[in-house]
Amino acid sequence: DIQMTQSPSTLSASVGDRVTITCRASQSITVWLAWYQQKLGKAPKLLIYKSSTLQSGVPSRFSGSGSGTEFTLTISSLQPDDFATYFCQHYNGFPWTFGQGTKVEI
Amino acid sequence: EVQLVESGGGLVQPGGSLRLSCAASGFTVSTNYMNWVRQAPGKGLEWVSIIYSGGATYYADSVKGRFTISRDDSGNTLYLQMNSLRAEDTAVYYCARAVAYNGMDVWGQGTTVTVSS
Repeated sequence: DIQMTQSPSTLSASVGDRVTITCRASQSITVWLAWYQQKLGKAPKLLIYKSSTLQSGVPSRFSGSGSGTEFTLTISSLQPDDFATYFCQHYNGFPWTFGQGTKVEI
Repeated sequence: EVQLVESGGGLVQPGGSLRLSCAASGFTVSTNYMNWVRQAPGKGLEWVSIIYSGGATYYADSVKGRFTISRDDSGNTLYLQMNSLRAEDTAVYYCARAVAYNGMDVWGQGTTVTVSS
């Protein structure tokens, strides 16, 4: 199975900060990676798919990049609504797996 | 409005069975890739199973042989039959739509399954 490792596990930041979260795959997944945002008690929300494609309706301050085994999610200017947990997920063959999550806190 | 609504969760004893349902509205289950994803208390997300539009199914190793994903095309509903339940199956179970390998873009609100004696 492909293992997904996110870093950091927790990130402390302030409103207006540029934030970067890294996700590494244990083997190449080309560009088949998605990013999700989850707030406490809520379902995940798709932010980015195919490594860098912004899901419709997601603010442009979110961006994704990478290919192969290393990927990043960047929030260009952190907003109060962005404090949440973020997960990466590969879909390059089964089983699909998620990273362990990165909690972005104040 | 595109929406998924799960039901069927509850408390069940180890070794017991439960069937989860996921009713879709605003789109057709049978023409999409439909998934179950779960989240144990305080933990991360775990993909559980998928059913393709053509009917092919895949499972996580942790549930293979115990869980069965299916759908009712006339009722536009997705199901997850869970047998031989274990304490480690305790989680919130979400159904989610995946569109042509573009991530899971529609999620239900989740239904809670607790396996305990």
